[in-house]
Amino acid sequence: DAGVIQSPRHEVTEMGQEVTLRCKPISGHDYLFWYRQTMMRGLELLIYFNNNVPIDDSGMPEDRFSAKMPNASFSTLKIQPSEPRDSAVYFCASSTSGIDEQFFGPGTRLTVL
Amino acid sequence: SQQGEEDPQALSIQEGENATMNCSYKTSINNLQWYRQNSGRGLVHLILIRSNEREKHSGRLRVTLDTSKKSSSLLITASRAADTASYFCATSGTYKYIFGTGTRLKVLA
Repeated sequence: DAGVIQSPRHEVTEMGQEVTLRCKPISGHDYLFWYRQTMMRGLELLIYFNNNVPIDDSGMPEDRFSAKMPNASFSTLKIQPSEPRDSAVYFCASSTSGIDEQFFGPGTRLTVL
Repeated sequence: SQQGEEDPQALSIQEGENATMNCSYKTSINNLQWYRQNSGRGLVHLILIRSNEREKHSGRLRVTLDTSKKSSSLLITASRAADTASYFCATSGTYKYIFGTGTRLKVLA
């Protein structure tokens, strides 16, 4: 298996633009997690899915953020409109359960100018 | 918040020395994991210790867990330059993990 795949690896956009981050989890993993990492706030859990259903989105910062998982092999995290404070590295991770080892993707480094 | 707090924030040692980093948390947990993150990369799982375990080993890694003190430690023995990375503890309550702030370890060759 290729591991968790994220795209793009780097994204530079201007304030106000829509940004879509993509994630392909490891096949067979029922849990998918989206995290955001910044120097100031560390690694924050934004949302997680179980069997494609959002279970806990309490970490989503505001309505500008939305996440979907239309099928077991694909998830998106969308920011609309983007703001400079959204600049961070966004990680996707997947797991066979919600409490065991998580496998992280390489991350998407987002810069909002 | 259940977030773990690692201590120290940064650690610099010579190759061959042992490195110890600690994690404290605030609420009851099901288990605790340690992850490593190399610069510019995603996190990699190192070891998981369940709440009913007190010590666990994996290669050069030794993890202890003291649920009465709500703390855990990660010991890396005979460190190598390749161990240079940030190390995070992650505590699990119910179906999700909360990551700590991390310890930046630098191993000097």
